Amino acid sequence: NAGVTQTPKFQVLKTGQSMTLQCAQDMNHEYMSWYRQDPGMGLRLIHYSVGAGITDQGEVPNGYNVSRSTTEDFPLRLLSAAPSQTSVYFCASSYSGRENYGYTFGSGTRLTVV
Amino acid sequence: GQNIDQPTEMTATEGAIVQINCTYQTSGFNGLFWYQQHAGEAPTFLSYNVLDGLEEKGRFSSFLSRSKGYSYLLLKELQMKDSASYLCAVRSRGGSYIPTFGRGTSLIVHP
Repeated sequence: NAGVTQTPKFQVLKTGQSMTLQCAQDMNHEYMSWYRQDPGMGLRLIHYSVGAGITDQGEVPNGYNVSRSTTEDFPLRLLSAAPSQTSVYFCASSYSGRENYGYTFGSGTRLTVV
Repeated sequence: GQNIDQPTEMTATEGAIVQINCTYQTSGFNGLFWYQQHAGEAPTFLSYNVLDGLEEKGRFSSFLSRSKGYSYLLLKELQMKDSASYLCAVRSRGGSYIPTFGRGTSLIVHP
């Protein structure tokens, strides 16, 4: 039972480069979300999905795109990396939004943009 | 929107009891979560409250008062391994029930 798998664990990008952070879950969860975590700022929601084919913006969506073509996968794309996107990124999933199911988090991707 | 407030840092002694408070303002409240996050690791789910009262899980308990917009996480018989950040997250009926996280409380347990 792998849970939520994020790749890569670490990444260094140059300003202007693009890349995709991968997230996959094997628990048949409907809900998936991407958060970024910065010192003193807590977890901030970037984008989320309530099911395959459905995505929506969170609190800090600018500079990021997502898609949800399958229940299992929810990749996060950085279009043109900026130093302000240096952060730790967490993918999380849950069965549903309305019950007492907590999120299961992936182990995180530590991204540095230089 | 939602406004969630937690103390930034707390310290406590091994074996003692500590209470971490969380206050929130939201419309359409639909549940409050507590997560534990050790340094360099992912958050892990601790507890969920949607009705007023106390939920107990071993050494950890969580309390909710919806009328006061207030919750606390109570940790008993503190151990060194309890040194971590504790995140309060609030879910509302708006925003597709996606929880909003507070900035977290860093708990340091010393001998």
